[in-house]
Amino acid sequence: GAVVSQHPSRVICKSGTSVKIECRSLDFQATTMFWYRQFPKQSLMLMATSNEGSKATYEQGVEKDKFLINHASLTLSTLTVTSAHPEDSSFYICSAGGGRETQYFGPGTRLLVL
Amino acid sequence: AQSVTQLGSHVSVSEGALVLLRCNYSSSVPPYLFWYVQYPNQGLQLLLKYTSAATLVKGINGFEAEFKKSETSFHLTKPSAHMSDAAEYFCAVSVGGNNRLAFGKGNQVVVIP
Repeated sequence: GAVVSQHPSRVICKSGTSVKIECRSLDFQATTMFWYRQFPKQSLMLMATSNEGSKATYEQGVEKDKFLINHASLTLSTLTVTSAHPEDSSFYICSAGGGRETQYFGPGTRLLVL
Repeated sequence: AQSVTQLGSHVSVSEGALVLLRCNYSSSVPPYLFWYVQYPNQGLQLLLKYTSAATLVKGINGFEAEFKKSETSFHLTKPSAHMSDAAEYFCAVSVGGNNRLAFGKGNQVVVIP
């Protein structure tokens, strides 16, 4: 099956710094990727839809200037958390679309902001 | 707007017993429905999906789900629970034309030996 990777798997940073998370589709091309945020013991919340070659579409309530998304190629999307604060600590998961029928999920990135 | 509802955040089941996780959907168009499983500190793995073909869908690890339009349901079942089934399970519906997914709140399944 299709494989999606994320890097890093875990990151700890100081408050005020920026952190970049990469999402790659390893064996297929994805014109659309999605970024989710998951708080402990809760469901996934869609943050934004990343479109190759165009601006990302953000969900209501998600700050686009804080969560910068770049989808420069058909196999790579990046999420940059700018000026991170402790409340940004969370589990970030990306997925790549396999058409309407399936999304393939990455293993997630655990972000801890001190 | 399309959405799914999962009731009962925690589900305890004895090893060897039936696993039943309920999912009800709301959709103004024929839905595409999914069940995903998540193990601790991992991403989501697709268990099975309904895409308007057969109403009884068989997935991996012995799971299956039945789409019932009259009940707007897509419940997940497994005849005999195994210890390795302990995980979080999410029901999801495809929303809109760009494959966005809306997830239910999830069920944490605990398997009792």
